[in-house]
Amino acid sequence: IAGITQAPTSQILAAGRRMTLRCTQDMRHNAMYWYRQDLGLGLRLIHYSNTAGTTGKGEVPDGYSVSRANTDDFPLTLASAVPSQTSVYFCASSESGGGAADTQYFGPGTRLTVL
Amino acid sequence: GQNIDQPTEMTATEGAIVQINCTYQTSGFNGLFWYQQHAGEAPTFLSYNVLDGLEEKGRFSSFLSRSKGYSYLLLKELQMKDSASYLCAVIDSGYALNFGKGTSLLVTP
Repeated sequence: IAGITQAPTSQILAAGRRMTLRCTQDMRHNAMYWYRQDLGLGLRLIHYSNTAGTTGKGEVPDGYSVSRANTDDFPLTLASAVPSQTSVYFCASSESGGGAADTQYFGPGTRLTVL
Repeated sequence: GQNIDQPTEMTATEGAIVQINCTYQTSGFNGLFWYQQHAGEAPTFLSYNVLDGLEEKGRFSSFLSRSKGYSYLLLKELQMKDSASYLCAVIDSGYALNFGKGTSLLVTP
């Protein structure tokens, strides 16, 4: 069982380019999340999805979009990358979006550098 | 919004006990999580508290006081591999974890 996989592992991207970070889970979890982690700022939620077909905005959604066409996949797209989007991106999933006793499991992360 | 505070850095000696504190101010509360994150790796789940009191899990214990908006993570018999960041996270709205900035723990010989 792989759990959560993310691709690519790392990427260097020119500013203005479009980029999609991929996230796939095989645990049949209902809820999925995207975070970015920056030194000194901790983990911040970008977008989330409580179930397939629905998405919501987190704390820092600007410049990012997501889709949830099925249970397993939750891609994150940067339409036109900017240097401030340089970060480590983590995808996570949980059984439900209900909150209580709802442990989130994280993928290995994607290290993105925008030049 | 939420305010979650934890010390930035701590240092402790191998074999010792260390307590990492977390205070929070939230508009609602559905539980508090502790995660461990080694450098360059993903966060991994350590503990969950929703009721007041102490939850023990091997060398790690976590305590919660909801009235005080306070939690701590207690690590006993410290090992070198315990050097990592420890993240306190609170869930209130039910859709996501709100993380503190993390405490970087260095275990020295």
